[in-house]
Amino acid sequence: AQSVTQLGSHVSVSEGALVLLRCNYSSSVPPYLFWYVQYPNQGLQLLLKYTTGATLVKGINGFEAEFKKSETSFHLTKPSAHMSDAAEYFCAVSGTDSWGKLQFGAGTQVVVTP
Amino acid sequence: DAGVIQSPRHEVTEMGQEVTLRCKPISGHDYLFWYRQTMMRGLELLIYFNNNVPIDDSGMPEDRFSAKMPNASFSTLKIQPSEPRDSAVYFCASSLAGTAKAYEQYFGPGTRLTVT
Repeated sequence: AQSVTQLGSHVSVSEGALVLLRCNYSSSVPPYLFWYVQYPNQGLQLLLKYTTGATLVKGINGFEAEFKKSETSFHLTKPSAHMSDAAEYFCAVSGTDSWGKLQFGAGTQVVVTP
Repeated sequence: DAGVIQSPRHEVTEMGQEVTLRCKPISGHDYLFWYRQTMMRGLELLIYFNNNVPIDDSGMPEDRFSAKMPNASFSTLKIQPSEPRDSAVYFCASSLAGTAKAYEQYFGPGTRLTVT
């Protein structure tokens, strides 16, 4: 069975600083990997995804993530945080038991300080 | 496209009452998912459908919960009778089958349920 671990339930970053959110997964087959963002009182929104091909993927709002098979990781980064990046971020991995199903991590709450 | 539509956005009900949450997926999508989100348990998958057929309902907490999808454009999640511990935000999401696209889930705005 697949699983996702997000390191750190809360991350505080200064405006303009690097944002780094860590995600590690376990999967018995090559996974599809996703990052979703949830702004207050809203549903989850797809930020970026890795399926096949280039291991560095770019998403919306200046975010990117790199798939590292050897480390079973898919960390999310943004070079310079903006106040509008304050949100909760979820890493997700494709299911191996049921097509279409995603396994979500517990989420990381990002706070951006001026 | 209008995106995934959920109604109502907020629901306050008394313990023991029946609650029905509604979802309209994105037109053309053939997967539909129901999730529950709480502070304590995070995001939980309750049930999902493919082409209107329930595929996996292992996340449905109890027999008090039931879900239906009578057609491709409508689904309901019903709780009867409701209990205070059912208080949560319930999300509906949909996706389109076909390789990796099946995993790109589009979420609705959620229904915030409060059971008193």
